[in-house]
Amino acid sequence: DTGVSQNPRHKITKRGQNVTFRCDPISEHNRLYWYRQTLGQGPEFLTYFQNEAQLEKSRLLSDRFSAERPKGSFSTLEIQRTEQGDSAMYLCASSLGTSGLNEQFFGPGTRLTVL
Amino acid sequence: DQQVKQNSPSLSVQEGRISILNCDYTNSMFDYFLWYKKYPAEGPTFLISISSIKDKNEDGRFTVFLNKSAKHLSLHIVPSQPGDSAVYFCAARSTGANSKLTFGKGITLSVRP
Repeated sequence: DTGVSQNPRHKITKRGQNVTFRCDPISEHNRLYWYRQTLGQGPEFLTYFQNEAQLEKSRLLSDRFSAERPKGSFSTLEIQRTEQGDSAMYLCASSLGTSGLNEQFFGPGTRLTVL
Repeated sequence: DQQVKQNSPSLSVQEGRISILNCDYTNSMFDYFLWYKKYPAEGPTFLISISSIKDKNEDGRFTVFLNKSAKHLSLHIVPSQPGDSAVYFCAARSTGANSKLTFGKGITLSVRP
């Protein structure tokens, strides 16, 4: 399977715990995006990498959130001290190119439930 | 503030008929528009797109129309098939915004056999 993969697919945690999600983009894609989708809403942009550089972060990304893409390949999204409001589907997408005009391919998402 | 609006949460059509999904936007900086389709337990899948320099783009059964003056676009599916039943998201981006997508809330399309 050469698509975008995300792990885990589901995560249930207790409030206050830290969680980390992983995204493996399509291998030659240099751009990687994280989005969050809550019930009844469309995906909302969180952050974006071009290669290993994090070029933009949304105001939705509080200080408890951190994302990395250390070698310009896979990326991790960590949420510290989780809150019930963090419960959502976290989607990763990747695309190829420097202009940003190419299609974004999405992974299946990680569904987070904070109890 | 919803910059991309899909005001109808659901649509039900008969197999073989036309499905028309509407989308409105408020940000004049948007210059590229996309439709994504999403099945349960899967990520969104790209369907069709249109640049702001065009008013129509067609790909098989799918056609997207853009009315810039009205800040409105629509997706036409003809003929509709039961396998088209899914959630459809309208998305937009501006080239000066690192290509991040701004999505609407989505429309659930049900195609009845």
